[in-house]
Amino acid sequence: QKEVEQDPGPLSVPEGAIVSLNCTYSNSAFQYFMWYRQYSRKGPELLMYTYSSGNKEDGRFTAQVDKSSKYISLFIRDSQPSDSATYLCAMKGFNKFYFGSGTKLNVKP
Amino acid sequence: SQTIHQWPATLVQPVGSPLSLECTVEGTSNPNLYWYRQAAGRGLQLLFYSVGIGQISSEVPQNLSASRPQDRQFILSSKKLLLSDSGFYLCACLQGDKNIQYFGAGTRLSVL
Repeated sequence: QKEVEQDPGPLSVPEGAIVSLNCTYSNSAFQYFMWYRQYSRKGPELLMYTYSSGNKEDGRFTAQVDKSSKYISLFIRDSQPSDSATYLCAMKGFNKFYFGSGTKLNVKP
Repeated sequence: SQTIHQWPATLVQPVGSPLSLECTVEGTSNPNLYWYRQAAGRGLQLLFYSVGIGQISSEVPQNLSASRPQDRQFILSSKKLLLSDSGFYLCACLQGDKNIQYFGAGTRLSVL
């Protein structure tokens, strides 16, 4: 079983839609959770960071962590064509990070 | 905050040639440093990480090696490249006080 599972998509939505991206994980010891956005041929850039359970909001982005279900989500409101990218979830273990395989999102104008 | 420099951005090398990719970090001291490889359309594969000068942990036995000659310098090397070494190589740095990892811009390596 992989440490982190993420649906690879692709996910195609119209501009203005609400997007929901999700990951599940197996290690209950994970405490730090991240979402990265990666544009084609670029390095991943940090989008959201959450410690332990709960919600965190930043503009159009909301990250949720449910440790009881080992499930994390990223919501994008009022999606824009510029949000088209691959989204990677990540969790921190001891000295290492565990990444999902990434979900490719396409927001159509 | 730290800045991660990676070069070159793109590299085309023949099979059997050597490789040296360099990563340097500014704005932090004694960082944890990481090398990842990302195949086209795939996730990130951790290759090496280092918690200090001269300390290297290898995650995947393969044709590559890593070295950390200075606190903020991390080098990925190969003596003889294989076709399977092609990919997008990313250097990353851990911001310890926030447990967040930041990435460089990456090097796209094509082995022909």
